Parts: sequence; structure tokens; C-alpha cells
Amino acid sequence: DPKIIQKPKYLVAVTGSEKILICEQYLGHNAMYWYRQSAKKPLEFMFSYSYQKLMDNQTASSRFQPQSSKKNHLDLQITALKPDDSATYFCASSHENTEVFFGKGTRLTVV
Amino acid sequence: QQKVQQSPESLSVPEGGMASFNCTSSDRNFQYFWWYRQHSGEGPKALMSIFSDGDKKEGRFTAHLNKASLHVSLHIRDSQPSDSALYFCAARKTGNTRKLIFGLGTTLQVQP
Repeated sequence: DPKIIQKPKYLVAVTGSEKILICEQYLGHNAMYWYRQSAKKPLEFMFSYSYQKLMDNQTASSRFQPQSSKKNHLDLQITALKPDDSATYFCASSHENTEVFFGKGTRLTVV
Repeated sequence: QQKVQQSPESLSVPEGGMASFNCTSSDRNFQYFWWYRQHSGEGPKALMSIFSDGDKKEGRFTAHLNKASLHVSLHIRDSQPSDSALYFCAARKTGNTRKLIFGLGTTLQVQP
């Protein structure tokens, strides 16, 4: 029974379009994150939120915007999609600075 | 230059054998380390954390940290085919940051 739900599991998008990746966690954690995993690259930190406030932002591009409507939600909006954005995006959560739990990911392909 | 480097890139051990993974960081501000495992099609899952110098043992898994040399290792004894996966070292700096820095990973294949 997954405690971090990511939707959709797979996503194909056209270059220049906009997509929203959904994430909900039911672990009662106060911190949520987005990471990106691309081929031949390490798992890359993107954002961290704590109590719905942005803590760390490592994404240079403003095309990536996290959105937190509830404390257990952290969606990721990506605008003006490029082929280089193709990757698996993982949502994660933790209680304070303890172990980080990851979802199963959304695999995004931009054509 | 990658801040967390892992070796080897891939590893094959027989069932029941010992698998060993290495991780070196290039930044002395990294003080907290985790080992994660990722099976195909899944998200990474934490195996264990280590924050103090020395060994930490949890079942078949033993982690070792040497802060002076910025070296972390993970050893799996009695390896099972279900241990076949991608293993990551992850590090976090001191201070009020939640950011984990991951290595590129080591692919483990346990041969039945």
C-alpha cells in the first residue's frame, strides 16, 4: 500500500507544453521534496518544502514550480517543456531531517 | 566534479557471497550519510544511515564511516538474488538543509 502516491506513472508531452506532476504523502511527514533522475546522472535534488514553505531550491529554471495546496501535497508544474526535461521525477518526504522516503516516480518523456 | 563518488560502477557476486560498496565525498561539510537501494521501476529506499565514525550493523548489512578520509562503505553478507538492485550513497551537510546529494550508484547482480 503506497504511502507516497505519484500521478501519473508515465507521461508523454510535446515540446513547449505544460504538465503538472502530482504527489500526495500519507506518512504524516512535514517535509516534502522533488528529485529528478536522468540517465547517466545522479539523483538530483530539486526542491524541499517544510510545513508548506520552500526551504531549498536547486532548480535554476523558473519553468519548474512546486505547488503545495495542502501540507501532504506537493505538485510540480513544468512549463515550456524541453526534450532535456525527460527524466523520472521522484517525490519524497520526511519527518524533519530524518530518513527520506521516496515515491515510485513519474517517468516524463518530452517529444 | 561530482561531490559524492561511488565505486565500483557495477558488481556481480554469487548467492551467499559478500557485496561491498564504496563512497567518497569531496566536501568535509558532509556529515550525514545514507545508503539507498533502488529496484527496477521503484523509487529509492533507505537501507541504513550512518553519522558517526566506525561500524553500524543492521542484519546482513554493515556500514562503515571514516570522516577523516570522507569514506563510507556498505557490506552485504549472505547476498540474495533479491538484493540485485542499484545502490546509492547519499550525503547531507550540517546546518539547516534538507538536500541529499547522491552518487551515481553501483549496480549489484547476485547470481543464483
